[in-house]
Amino acid sequence: SQQGEEDPQALSIQEGENATMNCSYKTSINNLQWYRQNSGRGLVHLILIRSNEREKHSGRLRVTLDTSKKSSSLLITASRAADTASYFCATVAGGGTSYGKLTFGQGTILTVHP
Amino acid sequence: EAGVVQSPRYKIIEKKQPVAFWCNPISGHNTLYWYLQNLGQGPELLIRYENEEAVDDSQLPKDRFSAERLKGVDSTLKIQPAELGDSAVYLCASSLGLNTEAFFGQGTRLTVV
Repeated sequence: SQQGEEDPQALSIQEGENATMNCSYKTSINNLQWYRQNSGRGLVHLILIRSNEREKHSGRLRVTLDTSKKSSSLLITASRAADTASYFCATVAGGGTSYGKLTFGQGTILTVHP
Repeated sequence: EAGVVQSPRYKIIEKKQPVAFWCNPISGHNTLYWYLQNLGQGPELLIRYENEEAVDDSQLPKDRFSAERLKGVDSTLKIQPAELGDSAVYLCASSLGLNTEAFFGQGTRLTVV
């Protein structure tokens, strides 16, 4: 079963533009993570934000977390063609029998045109 | 330092045959995951280990799937017998522990014909 739902399912932009992807989840979390997957390659961890954090930056990436709305967003600024990939949010359950479980959403396919 | 190593990268088998996948996690990583990923979808957890203990195998189809992690290091995932619907990419990942980032291997692409 999937915990997170990403929105949009697909996003197409021009190089240099910003890309924003959203993720919603259902249960309490310990942290939320974003991963990238290029065509034919493995999943690569991008950034982790803990449940007591509201915003985090890493290079051109900015992640926000709103636990009251159970949602997160990933912003990629000044996008490049090399950013073309699928992006997944993943939540780590914060309690109960699923504590520590890492669950992925369905992903957003980002295409950046040169 | 080597990342998560999986083998084989590709496997084609006939239905009803057995198949096994192997995973060597990053040294020192106590948590090991096996995921299944279908085309166009996110990874779905099959089983999670903390050292040699399977702490979450609720989504592992136990009638045909089995897994082990001897000595809390490398792990194998087995399917017997394989069905056409098992065709997918099987991903292994490891992390230092709960609530930390996971590192993924390249996966094994299984095709059942």
